[in-house]
Amino acid sequence: DTEVTQTPKHLVMGMTNKKSLKCEQHMGHRAMYWYKQKAKKPPELMFVYSYEKLSINESVPSRFSPECPNSSLLNLHLHALQPEDSALYLCASSQVRGTEAFFGQGTRLTVV
Amino acid sequence: SQQGEEDPQALSIQEGENATMNCSYKTSINNLQWYRQNSGRGLVHLILIRSNEREKHSGRLRVTLDTSKKSSSLLITASRAADTASYFCATAAPNTDKLIFGTGTRLQVFP
Repeated sequence: DTEVTQTPKHLVMGMTNKKSLKCEQHMGHRAMYWYKQKAKKPPELMFVYSYEKLSINESVPSRFSPECPNSSLLNLHLHALQPEDSALYLCASSQVRGTEAFFGQGTRLTVV
Repeated sequence: SQQGEEDPQALSIQEGENATMNCSYKTSINNLQWYRQNSGRGLVHLILIRSNEREKHSGRLRVTLDTSKKSSSLLITASRAADTASYFCATAAPNTDKLIFGTGTRLQVFP
């Protein structure tokens, strides 16, 4: 199984809502990533978990809260988002840091 | 910003032609990777070249790396309409968990 599964595929939320994005992999990868991608721009690194510990937070606003409940799962909790947070959110995993990354298909988030 | 720059930003060619895209980066690296993204979808890993390698091949792909110039190039030979996508380089630096993407090249291959 070489898949990274992200749910939901699409999400529309209001600025006062709380929602979560989920990411799952069963490849035994120990590094997991969250990226944000705006249209026609490259993916921007948000967070990295290495061996289930948060190792990188790229100065992401606290309205985004990552969680790694176990080695296969990665969540991104969303609260009080702004319309400019609308983007494609991509999850990825790699065996260890710096190796080939496998990406999910992303969650298309719209904040209204 | 640690982000690499890619050029050209956009490239349009006919099927059968070769496509070359270039990536420049700023920091020392362990490896450099190339990814492909079809519109609005996830990225797919194409090839990884280590900092001690100068050239690597995979099918119709050829990647070169010049660490003295902090640059890499991706050559796609005999392009097909199905190669139409955005292509990104990504760098993995030593002693960090970061994987940082370049600005990307949008490739259009016309039948």
